[in-house]
Amino acid sequence: DAKTTQPNSMESNEEEPVHLPCNHSTISGTDYIHWYRQLPSQGPEYVIHGLTSNVNNRMASLAIAEDRKSSTLILHRATLRDAAVYYCILTGGYNKLIFGAGTRLAVHP
Amino acid sequence: GAVVSQHPSWVICKSGTSVKIECRSLDFQATTMFWYRQFPKQSLMLMATSNEGSKATYEQGVEKDKFLINHASLTLSTLTVTSAHPEDSSFYICSARGQYTHTQYFGPGTRLTVL
Repeated sequence: DAKTTQPNSMESNEEEPVHLPCNHSTISGTDYIHWYRQLPSQGPEYVIHGLTSNVNNRMASLAIAEDRKSSTLILHRATLRDAAVYYCILTGGYNKLIFGAGTRLAVHP
Repeated sequence: GAVVSQHPSWVICKSGTSVKIECRSLDFQATTMFWYRQFPKQSLMLMATSNEGSKATYEQGVEKDKFLINHASLTLSTLTVTSAHPEDSSFYICSARGQYTHTQYFGPGTRLTVL
């Protein structure tokens, strides 16, 4: 599975939108883009995933670049409960999830 | 979303004893389950993948005789840490995935402390 690159940390203010970037320049045509997040002392939580088209759900939006070499997770209005480590992971087919270091998001009141 | 539970949520044991951790999918059939380990301030490390009714596939460097995994039903997988030592102290997390789905659902984790 291809590798992803994310910033180590980001900060946001409460009720503002947050754009979390992920670079995956070696992505293959069959790789899915997954986003999970992990709150302190908890197991990871599924956020969203996509293949080629942008995706929206109740938690977030996933914007995928036309060449698929990067993607952005969008939290439309950050809350304090969104403070977590966000992981961008690529998998081919139904492969296992291999976690990188992720982006630690801090949300300020 | 689907719910995955783990039991116990935390356990303290003496060095040399064995500890069993259960992972259950509560509202879906988990054809595949995964076990991860996470040390403080580090990311999750995949230990093994198990398919219901089959032997687990362990990641490189994970001792299969030390970390016994059983996935006997579509809703239950167990991880047994045999002859635990202080270096096995960690946060153990399971996840489950249904057939023909990309989403994994994670349990809340089990914190193991070996004295």
